[in-house]
Amino acid sequence: EAQVTQNPRYLITVTGKKLTVTCSQNMNHEYMSWYRQDPGLGLRQIYYSMNVEVTDKGDVPEGYKVSRKEKRNFPLILESPSPNQTSLYFCASSSPLRASNSPLHFGNGTRLTVT
Amino acid sequence: AQSVTQLDSQVPVFEEAPVELRCNYSSSVSVYLFWYVQYPNQGLQLLLKYLSGSTLVKGINGFEAEFNKSQTSFHLRKPSVHISDTAEYFCAVSVILYNQGGKLIFGQGTELSVKP
Repeated sequence: EAQVTQNPRYLITVTGKKLTVTCSQNMNHEYMSWYRQDPGLGLRQIYYSMNVEVTDKGDVPEGYKVSRKEKRNFPLILESPSPNQTSLYFCASSSPLRASNSPLHFGNGTRLTVT
Repeated sequence: AQSVTQLDSQVPVFEEAPVELRCNYSSSVSVYLFWYVQYPNQGLQLLLKYLSGSTLVKGINGFEAEFNKSQTSFHLRKPSVHISDTAEYFCAVSVILYNQGGKLIFGQGTELSVKP
């Protein structure tokens, strides 16, 4: 089954404790992206990747890192989480390389709480 | 800069009534338009998309949307809603960035609540 898998689904952590949210897709998609969803703000892009070893900032990259060492995986790293990063996070992927008209496939989300 | 505005944050409606969820966008370049649906505790899934051609686009679950270039709108409609249509709906615009592929910009979302 074609899917985007995020882990964990729920995560509660404390300020400053490094964490990683994993994302994996089995559709051989070149394009992958991370979004955060906050009430009244819709989805905002954090980082995206056009292909292996190619990543770039989205609209709200501060406090986040990503890597794309393999085509299928695109982990989101919070080196020192803060309470304002409490949010619902989504990973998404699409193909072909120019993703302008290709629909995104989303994971089921990771709800992160930073205390 | 491109932006997407969903004019209603919440839309309550009774079962079997028609519904329209409004979406306006601003862009100085050509765009592709999408509607996504998010059911509770799930990720977003594509409802329909407009790329070119006929301005009336039909999607899954009986939804349709009409692209109006002069009004820069892409409103979503369904003639008769079901309880199962209760979800959050996102309008999105994809802008072509030649150095970066496409960038998808989302609206704020509209919560559709269908009551019996």
